[in-house]
Amino acid sequence: GQQVMQIPQYQHVQEGEDFTTYCNSSTTLSNIQWYKQRPGGHPVFLIQLVKSGEVKKQKRLTFQFGEAKKNSSLHITATQTTDVGTYFCAGGGFQKLVFGTGTRLLVSP
Amino acid sequence: AAGVIQSPRHLIKEKRETATLKCYPIPRHDTVYWYQQGPGQDPQFLISFYEKMQSDKGSIPDRFSAQQFSDYHSELNMSSLELGDSALYFCASSLVASGGLPSYEQYFGPGTRLTVT
Repeated sequence: GQQVMQIPQYQHVQEGEDFTTYCNSSTTLSNIQWYKQRPGGHPVFLIQLVKSGEVKKQKRLTFQFGEAKKNSSLHITATQTTDVGTYFCAGGGFQKLVFGTGTRLLVSP
Repeated sequence: AAGVIQSPRHLIKEKRETATLKCYPIPRHDTVYWYQQGPGQDPQFLISFYEKMQSDKGSIPDRFSAQQFSDYHSELNMSSLELGDSALYFCASSLVASGGLPSYEQYFGPGTRLTVT
């Protein structure tokens, strides 16, 4: 079955540093979504990418979908303590999502 | 704005007991999903319903069953509970048939934490 891996599993940064998580799928994806889950919380939708090579920005967050539609990345510029949480990529259609293994981000002030 | 509602939020059961988890999707959403998330794990897809019909099935044990009712709420029924069933169970909903470009974003409820002792 489809597998979606993320690296790194965990990253601890100082506030103000940049952060990047990478997502790799074993199969071509029709779309990729990114979710953020705060400790003790539920996944919250961040963005959806559909086109090959697509890049989208949300304030300090930059999302990219690979040309082959098998990988994606999320880059956070100048992290803040509010960025703490686990970031998941997820692929799939309307019937289900296959979540990546997640990257847990810890930001120290 | 209305969100996905799940009940109960916490549930403690003993081995071999049964449990029923309820989910009330965002109004007018046509698709409901169930996920199981173990400690430190990513959410694992269990089952989904589109317009009250089962849409897809994932790694859902035979001891579990689910359905979506005429008012679009969904229930996940779990029988012969095992210690390994202890997890967070999320329900999510989405609006698939919006008539525009497809968007598969899912809105998650707060989850039900099931503890099996």
